[in-house]
Amino acid sequence: RKEVEQDPGPFNVPEGATVAFNCTYSNSASQSFFWYRQDCRKEPKLLMSVYSSGNEDGRFTAQLNRASQYISLLIRDSKLSDSATYLCVVISGGFKTIFGAGTRLFVKA
Amino acid sequence: DGGITQSPKYLFRKEGQNVTLSCEQNLNHDAMYWYRQDPGQGLRLIYYSQIVNDFQKGDIAEGYSVSREKKESFPLTVTSAQKNPTAFYLCASKGDGYTFGSGTRLTVV
Repeated sequence: RKEVEQDPGPFNVPEGATVAFNCTYSNSASQSFFWYRQDCRKEPKLLMSVYSSGNEDGRFTAQLNRASQYISLLIRDSKLSDSATYLCVVISGGFKTIFGAGTRLFVKA
Repeated sequence: DGGITQSPKYLFRKEGQNVTLSCEQNLNHDAMYWYRQDPGQGLRLIYYSQIVNDFQKGDIAEGYSVSREKKESFPLTVTSAQKNPTAFYLCASKGDGYTFGSGTRLTVV
């Protein structure tokens, strides 16, 4: 079993749709969680951190479920510009960081 | 503005040749990382350095070497021992989260 798993997608959605990404992790001692966005042939960029209480930034909502060991990212009212690959990142103690393989999103007009 | 600069953006390597990828940061971060990304796969850790003059092997260090003589600089050498070097290489430094350089796309010719 991979330490961090994401649905590879791709997800094809129309503009305005709500789309959800899930990411499961195997190490129950994992401490920090992030979502990154990566545009085609570019570097990943931090989208948002994920907190136990859940957090929201505009159209984006991130949640953490420690009991089930997964994090989620919800995008509401999706825009064409949201088309990208979304990577989940899980950090265990110290410098052990695992990047998910990413979920590709295509938003179509 | 603070950030990470990787160069060159594109690099072509001949069989049996060593090449060096540059990574410079002005974020005053202690920790720096090199990742490799292959199509459809997550980032895999090659080497990391938590402090000047110290570095550790990551998950796929074979065929690569690094140095960390200055806090700002963490160059990666892809040696001839790396049999499949064609990939997208990303340098990162870590403060509150990871900041990535724009990447170097290495191709064997």
